[in-house]
Amino acid sequence: QQQVKQSPQSLIVQKGGISIINCAYENTAFDYFPWYQQFPGKGPALLIAIRPDVSEKKEGRFTISFNKSAKQFSLHIMDSQPGDSATYFCAAKKGGSEKLVFGKGTKLTVNP
Amino acid sequence: DAGITQSPRHKVTETGTPVTLRCHQTENHRYMYWYRQDPGHGLRLIHYSYGVKDTDKGEVSDGYSVSRSKTEDFLLTLESATSSQTSVYFCAISGPGPDQPQHFGDGTRLSIL
Repeated sequence: QQQVKQSPQSLIVQKGGISIINCAYENTAFDYFPWYQQFPGKGPALLIAIRPDVSEKKEGRFTISFNKSAKQFSLHIMDSQPGDSATYFCAAKKGGSEKLVFGKGTKLTVNP
Repeated sequence: DAGITQSPRHKVTETGTPVTLRCHQTENHRYMYWYRQDPGHGLRLIHYSYGVKDTDKGEVSDGYSVSRSKTEDFLLTLESATSSQTSVYFCAISGPGPDQPQHFGDGTRLSIL
């Protein structure tokens, strides 16, 4: 059973456009939702994270939107740049647990 | 970058041989994790450790064992490697607390022929 469903699997965006990646979860015990960015040959790195008590969190060009009632959260990358080309993973963690559950990833390509 | 070193970075071996991967950290973090990454599956937790000699299973632990005799080292062992264990293996570390991020190493690419 996949606990965190991520879509799309791949995404191509033009430079300057908006990239949107979506994730959905079922387990209401999840209370921490990070996004990770991974470049080829490297490990994932934390990009931004949110808790369900806020509906949106913004850091620079990256924004997480969170819809608790729909059990969905999404990553928006504004003014997408070729350097943003990477694989993005959403994840979720239950309160009291140190274990993350990851989505399957989205490969983002930003064309110049 | 978090002080995480994985070794070896690449390994090719044959089915049935034992394989040990090492993760070494210099951050003195309590929690350490082993993941495997496969196309179409994302990152899946194999085992994790919450202290010296304290370990627990993740979602894909069959065929793998771990050991942690020192805070800084977390070993992943494939007792008898199979081709289905060909993958990229990542180690991660984190401190205690609800919002502590996991920091990942750069991975070990393991091929089992």
